[in-house]
Amino acid sequence: AQTVTQSQPEMSVQEAETVTLSCTYDTSESDYYLFWYKQPPSRQMILVIRQEAYKQQNATENRFSVNFQKAAKSFSLKISDSQLGDAAMYFCAYFWKGGADGLTFGKGTHLIIQP
Amino acid sequence: DSGVTQTPKHLITATGQRVTLRCSPRSGDLSVYWYQQSLDQGLQFLIQYYNGEERAKGNILERFSAQQFPDLHSELNLSSLELGDSALYFCASSLWGTPMNEQFFGPGTRLTVL
Repeated sequence: AQTVTQSQPEMSVQEAETVTLSCTYDTSESDYYLFWYKQPPSRQMILVIRQEAYKQQNATENRFSVNFQKAAKSFSLKISDSQLGDAAMYFCAYFWKGGADGLTFGKGTHLIIQP
Repeated sequence: DSGVTQTPKHLITATGQRVTLRCSPRSGDLSVYWYQQSLDQGLQFLIQYYNGEERAKGNILERFSAQQFPDLHSELNLSSLELGDSALYFCASSLWGTPMNEQFFGPGTRLTVL
């Protein structure tokens, strides 16, 4: 079974600084998607960024970018110019295109933004 | 606002009872997913429906069942409730039937079993 591991239960960063959240996953498949979801205190789950395993180029969405290392099975999220509104739980998730199991989530990283 | 609605927002009930959680997907979305978020299990995929048919099944207990109706809204039925069923239950919807498409999450239903 696929597993997703987020080794940092909590991270803290100063406003305007850059922070990187780690995610590793375990799979024997080659065709899959990886996601980062944000869950602010409102509890709403919001998609931050998505990466297809076959694409070598790292995905970027404004201040959010990923470092996808397929061989190392690593998928970290970099947040640049951190803002107070970035404070939230961040979940890494995996989906195998050939599967029927929905998304597999990590346990999450609680990101604190220090003003 | 994702466009996905869930009712009720909060539900408090007793062990052994049965409850129904309701989800209305975004307009035009054909697929509905149910997830459970608890402190000890984290976020777990329960079940997916696509255009009225069950598409995928995850860690859903036999005491739980779901369906998607012709108008595409979905209900998750939880029966013989136990203390451990206390959790936040999310519904998500997407246009098509695979999770590689963006899933839009509802605000969740907080279930407390006493």
